[in-house]
Amino acid sequence: AQKITQTQPGMFVQEKEAVTLDCTYDTSDQSYGLFWYKQPSSGEMIFLIYQGSYDEQNATEGRYSLNFQKARKSANLVISASQLGDSAMYFCAMTTGGADGLTFGKGTHLIIQP
Amino acid sequence: GAVVSQHPSRVICKSGTSVKIECRSLDFQATTMFWYRQFPKQSLMLMATSNEGSKATYEQGVEKDKFLINHASLTLSTLTVTSAHPEDSSFYICSARPPPGLPYNEQFFGPGTRLTVL
Repeated sequence: AQKITQTQPGMFVQEKEAVTLDCTYDTSDQSYGLFWYKQPSSGEMIFLIYQGSYDEQNATEGRYSLNFQKARKSANLVISASQLGDSAMYFCAMTTGGADGLTFGKGTHLIIQP
Repeated sequence: GAVVSQHPSRVICKSGTSVKIECRSLDFQATTMFWYRQFPKQSLMLMATSNEGSKATYEQGVEKDKFLINHASLTLSTLTVTSAHPEDSSFYICSARPPPGLPYNEQFFGPGTRLTVL
C-alpha cells in the first residue's frame, strides 16, 4: 500500500515570495507517479504538476516545479513568486500501476498575504 | 486539458432517499473512472474504481450495496447513494483517466457534487 505524508497543515507566505510545500511518500512499487493538485474554496481539483518515478529531471510547469528526491522519497512542490490567487488547499498524491486511483495526502492550506 | 463534468453540483435530500450523481468525460473516452469522497476539511479518499463494461472495484470499508456504481459507456459513470443518511453528506468527486497513448499523465477531475442529507 502507498502512503503520502504532508506535514504542513497550514502555511502563511508573503506575496511574491517563493514557497515550498512538503510531501513525502512511501511505496514498494518501482513505477509510480506523483501529482500535485490545487483545490480552491470552490472545491474543484486543479492539476498542477506530475513527476514519474523514472523521470530523471524535475518537472516544471510555469511557476510550479517539483523537487523530486527519489532516495529520500520526497516530492516537494515549489511555487515561485507567489500570488494572492495561490491561496488554496494543496494536495500531493500518487498512483502506482496503470489503473490505480490516487492516494492523497492530508493537504496543506496555503494562505498568501499581501 | 480534458473536461470532466458532474451533475448535479449540489443536492439536498431527505434521509432514506437515493441520489444519483453523473460523471461524464466530455472530450475523451474513459475506460476507467474513479469516485472520491471528501469530508469537510479533510483529504480525498478513493471510494471505487469504475471500469466500463465491468463491475466496479471498491476500496476497503466502502459498502458496495450503499454506493452503486455503473459505468455504462466510455463517457459516463454514475454513482448512486442508496438510502442516504446524514453521515453520507459529503463532497463527491469523480475523475477520469485518459486512455494510454495520450500525452497526459493526470487524472481529470469533475467539479464535484456536494450532497447534504437532512
